[in-house]
Amino acid sequence: KAGVTQTPRYLIKTRGQQVTLSCSPISGHRSVSWYQQTPGQGLQFLFEYFSETQRNKGNFPGRFSGRQFSNSRSEMNVSTLELGDSALYLCASSPVEGTGALAKNIQYFGAGTRLSVL
Amino acid sequence: GQNIDQPTEMTATEGAIVQINCTYQTSGFNGLFWYQQHAGEAPTFLSYNVLDGLEEKGRFSSFLSRSKGYSYLLLKELQMKDSASYLCAVHSNYQLIWGAGTKLIIKP
Repeated sequence: KAGVTQTPRYLIKTRGQQVTLSCSPISGHRSVSWYQQTPGQGLQFLFEYFSETQRNKGNFPGRFSGRQFSNSRSEMNVSTLELGDSALYLCASSPVEGTGALAKNIQYFGAGTRLSVL
Repeated sequence: GQNIDQPTEMTATEGAIVQINCTYQTSGFNGLFWYQQHAGEAPTFLSYNVLDGLEEKGRFSSFLSRSKGYSYLLLKELQMKDSASYLCAVHSNYQLIWGAGTKLIIKP
């Protein structure tokens, strides 16, 4: 089974531009979560999608948005880029079908997209 | 608020045992997860605990006490390849809440 695929792996943008990142989850996984990771900050939760619906959102400004398609692939968009948006953006998928614990909540990560804003 | 604490950095010797602690305060609890992240790579799943007690997986074990809001990851027979950051996360309300990670340095 193929893992989580994120594209592109690297991006260089300038302030004010916008960017779209893509994530293809593991086949059969319907939940996709997005994270921002910067040195010293750990993983910061952006949002989580399940069946094309955003179920949860972190404390990021409205410039950060996302969506999920019917095939569970997901995209996130950052508009009006700022220098502070430079980070590793990670996508993770899990097979969770609903609430509850156990192994269905394990998240499997893609290799990430490293965004540099100049 | 929701909070997960773990030490920033730890150092251990190859072949030894190390215990990485994690304490948490969250509004909900559906399980506690441990991930390993090598520098420049994505996190990879190590273990999870839902009920109190010890879960063993080869050289790695994880312990949970829900009443104390406490977990630890125990790594035995340390190898140089275990040098990495170890992330503790609690599943609550459709999301994983993450600690900042513990950087583990292994010395020969």
